[in-house]
Amino acid sequence: KQEVTQIPAALSVPEGENLVLNCSFTDSAIYNLQWFRQDPGKGLTSLLLIQSSQREQTSGRLNASLDKSSGRSTLYIAASQPGDSATYLCAVNNMRFGAGTRLTVKP
Amino acid sequence: DAGVIQSPRHEVTEMGQEVTLRCKPISGHDYLFWYRQTMMRGLELLIYFNNNVPIDDSGMPEDRFSAKMPNASFSTLKIQPSEPRDSAVYFCASSLILTDFYGYTFGSGTRLTVV
Repeated sequence: KQEVTQIPAALSVPEGENLVLNCSFTDSAIYNLQWFRQDPGKGLTSLLLIQSSQREQTSGRLNASLDKSSGRSTLYIAASQPGDSATYLCAVNNMRFGAGTRLTVKP
Repeated sequence: DAGVIQSPRHEVTEMGQEVTLRCKPISGHDYLFWYRQTMMRGLELLIYFNNNVPIDDSGMPEDRFSAKMPNASFSTLKIQPSEPRDSAVYFCASSLILTDFYGYTFGSGTRLTVV
């Protein structure tokens, strides 16, 4: 069974810092990995999706990478802003989710 | 399109009662997913449908849970009888195809509390 782990569970940074969120998975036989954002009391918002044949995807200040051989993905956020404060989840094949990293960006 | 619509937003019920959660997917989406989110277990896939047919229900915790999709615009998740450990936020999502990023949309969720 696919297991998805996210480290750290929580992260607090000052505004303007660049940061990296980590996601690891146990079964490399995946067809996609997706990063979501969840605001308190809300549903999930898709941020980036990486197909299994891709190595990375970029959208604005966000960059997600995928290394299937090592079972890892990272989400890089550049020049963080207070509005980036949320919980970030990764999901493998839209089926298995990590527990999330709760990000707080302090003004 | 108004997105994926779930009702009710909040539900409080007594242990032993039947609970029905509802979901209206985005029109034209062929896939519908039900998830449960708790602090302890995170977000778990319960079941998903393709063209109204259940494809994978391996995440349904036990026989007290059942899900139906009588037509392309409506799905229900029923818990009978409910127990306090069923308290969670239940999300519905829909997508055009299974691996379609742009069409993968979550509803706002139903917060269920069983007392």
